[in-house]
Amino acid sequence: DAGVTQSPTHLIKTRGQQVTLRCSPKSGHDTVSWYQQALGQGPQFIFQYYEEEERQRGNFPDRFSGHQFPNYSSELNVNALLLGDSALYLCASSADSEQYFGPGTRLTVT
Amino acid sequence: QKEVEQDPGPLSVPEGAIVSLNCTYSNSAFQYFMWYRQYSRKGPELLMYTYSSGNKEDGRFTAQVDKSSKYISLFIRDSQPSDSATYLCAMSAYPQAGTALIFGKGTTLSVSS
Repeated sequence: DAGVTQSPTHLIKTRGQQVTLRCSPKSGHDTVSWYQQALGQGPQFIFQYYEEEERQRGNFPDRFSGHQFPNYSSELNVNALLLGDSALYLCASSADSEQYFGPGTRLTVT
Repeated sequence: QKEVEQDPGPLSVPEGAIVSLNCTYSNSAFQYFMWYRQYSRKGPELLMYTYSSGNKEDGRFTAQVDKSSKYISLFIRDSQPSDSATYLCAMSAYPQAGTALIFGKGTTLSVSS
């Protein structure tokens, strides 16, 4: 049984560019949450998707947006990248209260 | 004051030691408590999930919650070099799937052989 998968593994972008990160949830999971983890910090909640809708959102600007597809996979889009957006982006999937994380996508903004 | 406080360490112990990791929190609405283990440059791995106050044991790991003190702990018995990682506490007020988890900064543990 494949766990949560994310792509790409690493990404380098320039300030002002846009990026799309992808996540496939664990089999049987219908809810996807996205987190940002800066170096030396704990993950911070960005938003949650369920039934193709954003259900909950953390304290992140509108530059961060997402999408969930009918097969429950999800994308995170970040527009107008800033240096401060450099972080590990984590996707977590769940079917109940336990959330399981993927390996993350490391984004570097130069 | 941050909602969840966790001493970042680092914490260094010899193999076989008992390790105690702790978090304090300020939001009395938190009822669901988790411990995750994160190896370098990897995603967090769920170790323990507990609801409300009390103890929960799983192998060498014991999670303890004291809601009256707003204090949670993770104990690791007979620590192994493979336990060397960052340990993150997380908590939420609701049990719904995908609800926002509030994390501590993580404690870096090093177990030497």
